[in-house]
Amino acid sequence: GDSVTQMEGPVTLSEEACLTINCTYTATGYPSLFWYVQYPGEGLQLLLKATKADDKGSNKGFEATYRKETTSFHLEKGSVQVSDSAVYFCALGNSGNTPLVFGKGTRLSVIA
Amino acid sequence: GAGVSQTPSNKVTEKGKYVELRCDPISGHTALYWYRQSLGQGPEFLIYFQGTGAADDSGLPNDRFFAVRPEGSVSTLKIQRTERGDSAVYLCASSPHSGRADTQYFGPGTRLTVL
Repeated sequence: GDSVTQMEGPVTLSEEACLTINCTYTATGYPSLFWYVQYPGEGLQLLLKATKADDKGSNKGFEATYRKETTSFHLEKGSVQVSDSAVYFCALGNSGNTPLVFGKGTRLSVIA
Repeated sequence: GAGVSQTPSNKVTEKGKYVELRCDPISGHTALYWYRQSLGQGPEFLIYFQGTGAADDSGLPNDRFFAVRPEGSVSTLKIQRTERGDSAVYLCASSPHSGRADTQYFGPGTRLTVL
């Protein structure tokens, strides 16, 4: 079945450091790929998405490129802020309105 | 506009009791999903409704779990004879229409603790 594997956390970075959170997937067909974020005490929010190969999703300085050849959707940000501290989830959704398949999440802590 | 809401936000119950968890989706969203999130894990799918009918209930762990959406809007997840292993955060999400992996909008969750 479909699955998502993302790098284990926690990840601790200093403010203004570069961030990469790796995400790879296994899926039949042509899934859409998502990054969701969960800030402390809040619900899951969509951060960005890409619906086809080579698409780049971006939001709030984060970006991720849908790479079909490597089945990856790594999350990147050039300069993190303390306010980026959260848990990040990679997810895929296959054709139709099927449920999302999530990775286990990566906790990011950014220190000033 | 209003997002997905879930009630209660916290529920503590005793082993063997019955609980109901409620989800109010975003108005007009036809698809509704229930997920369960255990500590340190990503959300895991339970059941998905398209309108009033359960389109996929393959994620329900056993027959103690049941969900309804009688009018195609509000949904209730029902758990009978609760067990300590049912303790988790139960998430509800909705999306606007059937299509190719539409964005799902999540509620804040209900934290269920079974003592």
